[in-house]
Amino acid sequence: NAGVTQTPKFRILKIGQSMTLQCTQDMNHNYMYWYRQDPGMGLKLIYYSVGAGITDKGEVPNGYNVSRSTTEDFPLRLELAAPSQTSVYFCASSYSDRNQPQHFGDGTRLSIL
Amino acid sequence: GESVGLHLPTLSVQEGDNSIINCAYSNSASDYFIWYKQESGKGPQFIIDIRSNMDKRQGQRVTVLLNKTVKHLSLQIAATQPGDSAVYFCAENRGTGNQFYFGTGTSLTVIP
Repeated sequence: NAGVTQTPKFRILKIGQSMTLQCTQDMNHNYMYWYRQDPGMGLKLIYYSVGAGITDKGEVPNGYNVSRSTTEDFPLRLELAAPSQTSVYFCASSYSDRNQPQHFGDGTRLSIL
Repeated sequence: GESVGLHLPTLSVQEGDNSIINCAYSNSASDYFIWYKQESGKGPQFIIDIRSNMDKRQGQRVTVLLNKTVKHLSLQIAATQPGDSAVYFCAENRGTGNQFYFGTGTSLTVIP
């Protein structure tokens, strides 16, 4: 059982470049989330989705976009990379109930230079 | 402002001792709380959760206590082992929507 899978694990981008962080889950979870984690800090919610075709902003959505065309996949898009987006990005999923624990992937470590 | 925070950023304990990690929250509407463990280079891993209609919940070697009066949450780990060394986060759902708010984490080091 793979759970939540994130790719790539590491990436270095130049300022102004774009990229997509991939996230897929095989647990048939309707709810999916994207977080960023800065050094010594807790996780901040970027975007989340409660089902295919439905997305909503979290605490820190600026500079990011998401889509949810299938239950399994929830990609995160950076259009114009900025140094402030250097972080570790985590994708998570959960069952269709807000009072359910989230299952996390192992993260994508992104550096913008 | 509202926050989810931890009293101590680091905690060192001897192997075999009990560990207590604390978390303060400020939103009285928060009704669901989770403790996560994060090892280096890994994503957060669910440990235990508790709903606001409970004061205590026990798992295997772990206990979560919730004091709604003072808005305080704690994680107790019994007979701490070297494998328990990690960063521990609390997270809260503030009663509406699907967003969780995470604390900054406590780094637990177990001394053999």
